[in-house]
Amino acid sequence: SYELTQPSSVSVSPGQTARITCSGDVLAKKYARWFQQKPGQAPVLVIYKDSERPSGIPERFSGSSSGTTVTLTISGAQVEDEADYYCYSAADNNPVVFGGGTKLTVL
Amino acid sequence: QVQLVQSGAEVKKPGASVKVSCKASGYTFTSYYMHWVRQAPGQGLEWMGIINPSGGSTSYAQKFQGRVTMTRDTSTSTVYMELSSLRSEDTAVYYCARGAVDYWGQGTLVTVSS
Repeated sequence: SYELTQPSSVSVSPGQTARITCSGDVLAKKYARWFQQKPGQAPVLVIYKDSERPSGIPERFSGSSSGTTVTLTISGAQVEDEADYYCYSAADNNPVVFGGGTKLTVL
Repeated sequence: QVQLVQSGAEVKKPGASVKVSCKASGYTFTSYYMHWVRQAPGQGLEWMGIINPSGGSTSYAQKFQGRVTMTRDTSTSTVYMELSSLRSEDTAVYYCARGAVDYWGQGTLVTVSS
């Protein structure tokens, strides 16, 4: 099995840049995805293939990768970006795994 | 538009089984795998397994091996997740998510309580 490690919380003021990291050996070989989840709602995909943004996701959301760490960056974070964020990856012949989640506070 | 519509909330007693459905529409059902993911109250996302709607093959997370069964009905574009020998720790919201995890169902709350 393998693990993805995220910080439990990140806090920024509105307009600042929020960065959330996700680390794991599998990330050196496989793409990561990022999800945003607001209370009482299903997760929403915000980044795939490490840095691609699905249609409808604001441009302030971006992703990057370096070695065994991927980073979700929210440039100019807004109050409505306050949510839990999860990274996700899957390796061939291995089960999917989610990171433990990061609570982003914007205030 | 792509939609995944799940069955309603369930309350079960310990030791019972639950079967949750996920009806897909807006795309070719057999072209995308389907994941099942759960989330216990206040906890993170936990992957349970995946089914290929085309041939019915499955892969389950080791934690759920022997207790979970995922099936599909191509005539109704519906996938099912059955979890047996329920215990209180299985209380969670259960989600289906299309293969690229780009679309998710609305979630089904399963409560296990005596």
